[in-house]
Amino acid sequence: GNSVTQMEGPVTLSEEAFLTINCTYTATGYPSLFWYVQYPGEGLQLLLKATKADDKGSNKGFEATYRKETTSFHLEKGSVQVSDSAVYFCALSEVTGGGADGLTFGKGTHLIIQP
Amino acid sequence: DGGITQSPKYLFRKEGQNVTLSCEQNLNHDAMYWYRQDPGQGLRLIYYSQIVNDFQKGDIAEGYSVSREKKESFPLTVTSAQKNPTAFYLCASTGQGSFGSPLHFGNGTRLTVT
Repeated sequence: GNSVTQMEGPVTLSEEAFLTINCTYTATGYPSLFWYVQYPGEGLQLLLKATKADDKGSNKGFEATYRKETTSFHLEKGSVQVSDSAVYFCALSEVTGGGADGLTFGKGTHLIIQP
Repeated sequence: DGGITQSPKYLFRKEGQNVTLSCEQNLNHDAMYWYRQDPGQGLRLIYYSQIVNDFQKGDIAEGYSVSREKKESFPLTVTSAQKNPTAFYLCASTGQGSFGSPLHFGNGTRLTVT
């Protein structure tokens, strides 16, 4: 079956530090890959996505590149802000049976940015 | 603005009672989903529906039931058979047949059963 593995948290950084959150996946086919962000007490918001190998998703200064050879989709940001503190989820989607049967999520990484 | 509305935000119930969580969307999406979120466990799929009057079990369907009588609505019932119902429940939707299409999430319902 499909699975997503992401680094355990919490990850604590100082403001303006460089961020990397690792994500690797196992899939039977050729999935689409996503990063979602969750702020306290809220649902998940799509941060970025990539649908084929070597695609780079980017949004709000965050980037992730779909690496098929290493089955990875690591999230990076050059200079984090306090407002980036949240839980980040890596996820994959494979279409089966002609329809979308939901995403497979990693366990989430809690990011804490200190001023 | 289009979106997904979950209500209520907080819900408290006594053990042994069934409880229904509401999820409504005005995005005209065909597919809808229910996830359960527990600390340190990420999100786990409970049920999903790709079309009205049809739904499938996810990874942890035991103790839950759903209905899909209208395209906009996908209520989840947590029954007394669910052994550990206290959790954060998230509803989501996406456009049908759109490969790589992301899920749109509601803001969740936090259920506490004592």
